[in-house]
Amino acid sequence: DAKTTQPPSMDCAEGRAANLPCNHSTISGNEYVYWYRQIHSQGPQYIIHGLKNNETNEMASLIITEDRKSSTLILPHATLRDTAVYYCIVSGDDKIIFGKGTRLHILP
Amino acid sequence: AAGVIQSPRHLIKEKRETATLKCYPIPRHDTVYWYQQGPGQDPQFLISFYEKMQSDKGSIPDRFSAQQFSDYHSELNMSSLELGDSALYFCASSLRFGRGTDTQYFGPGTRLTVL
Repeated sequence: DAKTTQPPSMDCAEGRAANLPCNHSTISGNEYVYWYRQIHSQGPQYIIHGLKNNETNEMASLIITEDRKSSTLILPHATLRDTAVYYCIVSGDDKIIFGKGTRLHILP
Repeated sequence: AAGVIQSPRHLIKEKRETATLKCYPIPRHDTVYWYQQGPGQDPQFLISFYEKMQSDKGSIPDRFSAQQFSDYHSELNMSSLELGDSALYFCASSLRFGRGTDTQYFGPGTRLTVL
């Protein structure tokens, strides 16, 4: 079973920041938080990952709470092309267990 | 940058036939993963290989087998195909550092249709 809980769907207005939450209360000390997204039937796309510090790259920011039991993926300026299923994954050095993810709809 | 290559992109087979899916990892990546995504479902892990040895196994049917070759490419062999095998098959590759940061990069997938 997936180790994460995410809302099934979210809406965000184009140009606004999209904040996608994820709960991972059973995360262990050596496990990272990864975010992937899947745009309709394409291969899952890596977005960002982190251990305990907040991370930022050209695609998004990842905010991890101090107790590491939850995190938030932030897309700073959402566009229509960001419409996808976003998966929050807790992983060590092995297979990815995909949960249900959050279906993000970007509204024009 | 080079990405994961999968071939063929689309494949149509009849029931009870066999199929072979190929995956070419990102150059210098040593680990390959296979995932299956049925219609309306989330990807499910099938099997993985590290340095040509099977490293983990998920819900892969006994009718399926896979291997990783000396050039690190991998093939997923599927026999006695069933209608339920119709799915997207994704391959992912990573470079194993062993510190929890083995980011997997996915290919575009092979869409298998079994008639």
